[in-house]
Amino acid sequence: DAGVIQSPRHEVTEMGQEVTLRCKPISGHDYLFWYRQTMMRGLELLIYFNNNVPIDDSGMPEDRFSAKMPNASFSTLKIQPSEPRDSAVYFCASSFFGGGRETQYFGPGTRLLVL
Amino acid sequence: AQKVTQAQTEISVVEKEDVTLDCVYETRDTTYYLFWYKQPPSGELVFLIRRNSFDEQNEISGRYSWNFQKSTSSFNFTITASQVVDSAVYFCALSELSGGYNKLIFGAGTRLAVHP
Repeated sequence: DAGVIQSPRHEVTEMGQEVTLRCKPISGHDYLFWYRQTMMRGLELLIYFNNNVPIDDSGMPEDRFSAKMPNASFSTLKIQPSEPRDSAVYFCASSFFGGGRETQYFGPGTRLLVL
Repeated sequence: AQKVTQAQTEISVVEKEDVTLDCVYETRDTTYYLFWYKQPPSGELVFLIRRNSFDEQNEISGRYSWNFQKSTSSFNFTITASQVVDSAVYFCALSELSGGYNKLIFGAGTRLAVHP
């Protein structure tokens, strides 16, 4: 089975541009998570969804960040406008909940560089 | 509040040495999971193990072993006869199950360098 799929793998953009990161979770998983990893702050949870509904977005740093999950097999994380401090690796993860299956599986990440 | 501490920032060993990565956690919940993930130089996060708070049995998988001790709130990871391919950053994480969700709280990670 395919794991979590993220695209693009690398993104270089200029300050002020809109950036959209995409994620396809593992089929059947009912939780989806977006994380950001930086040297300074480590791994941070930005937002997570349960059955396509955003549950906790308290980790989203600013209004410039937004996330959607229009269906069970697709989610986006959008940054508009982007800033150099948004440069980081963004991970998507998915999991089941219940029945002892609560393991988050991570995608390969999107390495974002904002110039 | 929940917290995961990995006190060892970096560890450097020579191939074939045994190495233990420490993980100490804090939680108010009685039901929780503990995890270890590996992040090799290529950058992906690879799941290694999950341990339920009710299961204190140690686990061995090949050269990897995990020691879970609730009395000391620790979940340590030992690599026996380390190899260069073990070089990576290793993250310990805690997931509380209260409230019907499984947020992961990560430690800061331990960077392991295995030299030939």
